[in-house]
Amino acid sequence: QVHLVESGGGVVQPGRSLRLSCAASGFTVSNYAMYWVRQAPGKGLEWVAVISFDGSIKYYADSVKGRFTISRDTSKNTLYMQMDSLRAEDTAVYYCAKDGLEGYCSSGNCYTHNWFDSWGQGTLVTVSS
Amino acid sequence: EIVMTQSPVTLSVSPGERATLSCRASQSVRNSWLAWYQQKPGQAPRLLIYGASTRAAGVPARFSGSGSGTEFTLTITSLQSEDFAFYYCQHYTDWPLTFGGGTKVEIK
Repeated sequence: QVHLVESGGGVVQPGRSLRLSCAASGFTVSNYAMYWVRQAPGKGLEWVAVISFDGSIKYYADSVKGRFTISRDTSKNTLYMQMDSLRAEDTAVYYCAKDGLEGYCSSGNCYTHNWFDSWGQGTLVTVSS
Repeated sequence: EIVMTQSPVTLSVSPGERATLSCRASQSVRNSWLAWYQQKPGQAPRLLIYGASTRAAGVPARFSGSGSGTEFTLTITSLQSEDFAFYYCQHYTDWPLTFGGGTKVEIK
């Protein structure tokens, strides 16, 4: 049974850093792309970042590019998000999510599927002075 | 960036009735790579539909998705009490992945 548990959220001042973790069980992160999706209070969903099953692909939303870094530790089956230079507008619940299908490579390119079949319960990040 | 627009913003429906939710993309969604999610207050989203029309595992048959190109629909036949929630569409054609603003299905 797939299970995702986020941690690391909290209250942080603008300009400071925070690292989120997402512990996965019931599957292997090295077989699936993993994502971070956030939701500001009372707002809709916003995709933040992706890391492919083999770690070769990392994409970010423009709103976080250059400030956030997605990574994973396959030995711990855990996904991470390093968040630097935090801003008030980064305040949100951050969810990690698993790709709907296993990733694959073909003709030298590796692919993700980009829909989310399992989600964690989320961790709240509040950026405030 | 593909902009996803959902309508209506709020849909008031009586239990047992049918709900039809719309999702429009600003450009064609290649291969109908579109998903629908349900979210209840205080909970994480739940995948309902992917590939525009394929129900995810465990999703009741009263949920169905249709559409192609730029116009997509989520239909819930005979609404149950547990179906009153927010619903979001998401394209996965290209980067960035984007969601619609959501439709709240409330009890009439």
